Amino acid sequence: DTAVSQTPKYLVTQMGNDKSIKCEQNLGHDTMYWYKQDSKKFLKIMFSYNNKELIINETVPNRFSPKSPDKAHLNLHINSLELGDSAVYFCASSVMDGGYTFGSGTRLTVV
Amino acid sequence: AQRVTQPEKLLSVFKGAPVELKCNYSYSGSPELFWYVQYSRQRLQLLLRHISRESIKGFTADLNKGETSFHLKKPFAQEEDSAMYYCALSGRAGSYQLTFGKGTKLSVIP
Repeated sequence: DTAVSQTPKYLVTQMGNDKSIKCEQNLGHDTMYWYKQDSKKFLKIMFSYNNKELIINETVPNRFSPKSPDKAHLNLHINSLELGDSAVYFCASSVMDGGYTFGSGTRLTVV
Repeated sequence: AQRVTQPEKLLSVFKGAPVELKCNYSYSGSPELFWYVQYSRQRLQLLLRHISRESIKGFTADLNKGETSFHLKKPFAQEEDSAMYYCALSGRAGSYQLTFGKGTKLSVIP
């Protein structure tokens, strides 16, 4: 019944590994996003997809690659993980008015 | 460029005291402003948006275009109000991107 669901909730991995985070929304929203929340709780947009098309790609290393197989899914794949990638990653979706619905977050720890 | 400034990183108030969380924005067009709340280790939730002019959990916020502000207010703080509060702006046409402020941690002291 969850509107925006992310998996996994927690992810602990070693430097250099490749990992993916999945996101699904059942709200029928056209736009989906990935945000990164760092240790200081600062939220920064990473990517935005509208109807499976990339519309925002902020200055994110190209080790991060979003994939949207359909408008209900936006997955995030990260190659060659680094210590600085440790953060909480939030997926969100919205309609045109900017009212976002967020997922519960994925806490990524790179050791 | 659009920018949201929340000048206070941390705000501590006593239970029953009034609360004002400050938010200023920079945007050349007509922005849409929002407040989001994040309780401890939970997802962000939309608290209120300026276009609906509503009051949620006793909180209100008025958009002041002259001062480019959208401060969040509550007359009497409750312990359960303790959380991170983010002011956000949507302004870039076609992208619906929200730009968030850095957040203010509200701590209500019993």
